[in-house]
Amino acid sequence: KAGVTQTPRYLIKTRGQQVTLSCSPISGHRSVSWYQQTPGQGLQFLFEYFSETQRNKGNFPGRFSGRQFSNSRSEMNVSTLELGDSALYLCASSATDSPYEQYFGPGTRLTVT
Amino acid sequence: SQQGEEDPQALSIQEGENATMNCSYKTSINNLQWYRQNSGRGLVHLILIRSNEREKHSGRLRVTLDTSKKSSSLLITASRAADTASYFCATQGAGSYQLTFGKGTKLSVIP
Repeated sequence: KAGVTQTPRYLIKTRGQQVTLSCSPISGHRSVSWYQQTPGQGLQFLFEYFSETQRNKGNFPGRFSGRQFSNSRSEMNVSTLELGDSALYLCASSATDSPYEQYFGPGTRLTVT
Repeated sequence: SQQGEEDPQALSIQEGENATMNCSYKTSINNLQWYRQNSGRGLVHLILIRSNEREKHSGRLRVTLDTSKKSSSLLITASRAADTASYFCATQGAGSYQLTFGKGTKLSVIP
């Protein structure tokens, strides 16, 4: 099976712009979670989707949003980018019969200038 | 927010030696997991230990869990240069699939 894929892998944006990141889970996985990794704050949970519904949300401002499509692919959007949004954004998927084990994609490196 | 701390923050050993990393957490858990990350890439799942387990093995990895002390350790035996990476522990609470990560241990294995 192909692993979790994320596009794009690298992105440079200007402060104030918005960005959309995409994640395709492992085939058959219906749960997708997003995490932000920065040197200062480490790995932090953003949100989790299951069957197109947001099941859980981390402590991030409303500028961070996401959605999941009927094919389980997920997107996250960050509006009005700030310098502090520069980070590695990681997506993970899990199977319904083993929901605790998450498989991560390679991440999208976002740089905000 | 971070669940707890990994100790040490950085560890440098010679190839063939054993590496031990510790992790502490703050709240009750359903399970604790260890992940590896190579140089800013994605996370690779290594091992999951449930709250009612005390020890688990996988290849050269041995994980222990002490829920009374809210701590876990990861032992990598006979380390190789390819084990050079950052290692993170992460916990999940009951009924939640959200992973709460520690700050990680950066392991360097010198050939």
